[in-house]
Amino acid sequence: DIQLTQSPSFLSASVGDRVTITCRASQGISSNLAWYQQEPGKAPELLIYAASALQSGVPSRFSGSGSGTDFTLTISGLQPEDFATYYCQQLDMYPLTFGPGTKVDIK
Amino acid sequence: QVQLVESGGGVVQPGTSLRLACAASGFSLSGYPIHWVRQAPGKGLEWVAFQSYEGRNKFYADSVKGRFTISIDRSTFYLNMNNMRAEDTAVYYCAREPGGRRFFDYWGQGILVTVSS
Repeated sequence: DIQLTQSPSFLSASVGDRVTITCRASQGISSNLAWYQQEPGKAPELLIYAASALQSGVPSRFSGSGSGTDFTLTISGLQPEDFATYYCQQLDMYPLTFGPGTKVDIK
Repeated sequence: QVQLVESGGGVVQPGTSLRLACAASGFSLSGYPIHWVRQAPGKGLEWVAFQSYEGRNKFYADSVKGRFTISIDRSTFYLNMNNMRAEDTAVYYCAREPGGRRFFDYWGQGILVTVSS
C-alpha cells in the first residue's frame, strides 16, 4: 500500500498568512494526488486534484504543486473560513489512501 | 444538483450486521462510480470500498475485505457490513468519483455507525 505522510500535523497561523502543507508518498505516484479541506462536523471538500488542478469553485488562494513523492498545498492569504483540517489522498493505485491530516488553527 | 444522501446508520453490537444506503441524484450514475470512506471519531479519513456502476469492478480495503460488500440497486448504493467490530465505529461517507479519476468531487453528509456492546 502507498503510505502518505503530512507535515506539519498541526499549525497555528493568522489571517493573511501564507501557509504551506507538505504531503510525501512512500513511492512515486506521478501527479496522482488530491487535497481536501474538512471543517469540524462536515464532509470533506475537494480543493485540488492531479496535484495542481484547482477544483471548480475553489478560491484561487489555494494552489498545489509537486510530482513523484513530494507535494505541497499552499494557501496564499489565509482567510477565517480556511481554519480547518487538510488531507492529501493518492489516486495512483488501490487501496486509495489518505494522509493523516494537517489541522490549521488560529494563532 | 448533485446529491448523495446516506442512511441506515445506528448502534449495533459486535458480530452483527448493518446495511448503509447512499441515494444518488442529480447526475448520470454510469459515469460516476461511488466510493465509501469512513472516519473514526477524532481520526482521519479511511477509504473503504468502491464499485463501478455496472458492477464489473469492486475493490475493498484490507480492513473490511471479507466482511463488507458493496452493491447497487438503480440509483442507490449499499454498503453491507457483516461481522462488525468495535473498530468499524465511524462516520461513513459515500463519495462520487468523476469516472476514472479516483478522487471525490461530491460527498454525502455522512452517517454515524457505532459498534458497541
